[in-house]
Amino acid sequence: DAGVIQSPRHEVTEMGQEVTLRCKPISGHDYLFWYRQTMMRGLELLIYFNNNVPIDDSGMPEDRFSAKMPNASFSTLKIQPSEPRDSAVYFCASTTGGLEQFFGPGTRLTVL
Amino acid sequence: GDSVTQMEGPVTLSEEAFLTINCTYTATGYPSLFWYVQYPGEGLQLLLKATKADDKGSNKGFEATYRKETTSFHLEKGSVQVSDSAVYFCALTRDYGQNFVFGPGTRLSVLP
Repeated sequence: DAGVIQSPRHEVTEMGQEVTLRCKPISGHDYLFWYRQTMMRGLELLIYFNNNVPIDDSGMPEDRFSAKMPNASFSTLKIQPSEPRDSAVYFCASTTGGLEQFFGPGTRLTVL
Repeated sequence: GDSVTQMEGPVTLSEEAFLTINCTYTATGYPSLFWYVQYPGEGLQLLLKATKADDKGSNKGFEATYRKETTSFHLEKGSVQVSDSAVYFCALTRDYGQNFVFGPGTRLSVLP
């Protein structure tokens, strides 16, 4: 069981650049969540999908952020253009709709 | 809206000391309650859960009891180890896993 896979694990980029974070959920899980973790704001839900369809994106901070799930085994979170305040750890999690969410190891994003 | 409040950290204890991390919540209805743990450099992992009033969740020597009358779910462990050093998150969901609300996290450091 590979668990939730995220890539890259670390990303350093310059302000204004496009950033794409990737997530592979656990096979068979039909819910996928994107979270952002910062010291100031803690863990925030950005968006979640059910059966590849976005259900709630009210946590997406602004239009610079977008997320897609083209199939059951892949999702992306894109930031364009990136800003220093986007620096955070971004987590992907998946579940079958039960009570436990399984988290990936996270992507640490630094925007200079 | 729903919210979770945790005691502020960091908490520093000596090995074999007793641990309590307080958690209180605000939510309508009957949420399910959770403790998640995040070890350094990793994603969150479910530690224990309770789905109804008076339920006790337990795992790895940790326990928490769902107290509806005080809207609390305090985490306890009788004798902590250095390996318990991590950040602990209290969380709830009313949507059977679709919408989690996480507390800010409490960092625990256990000294040998």
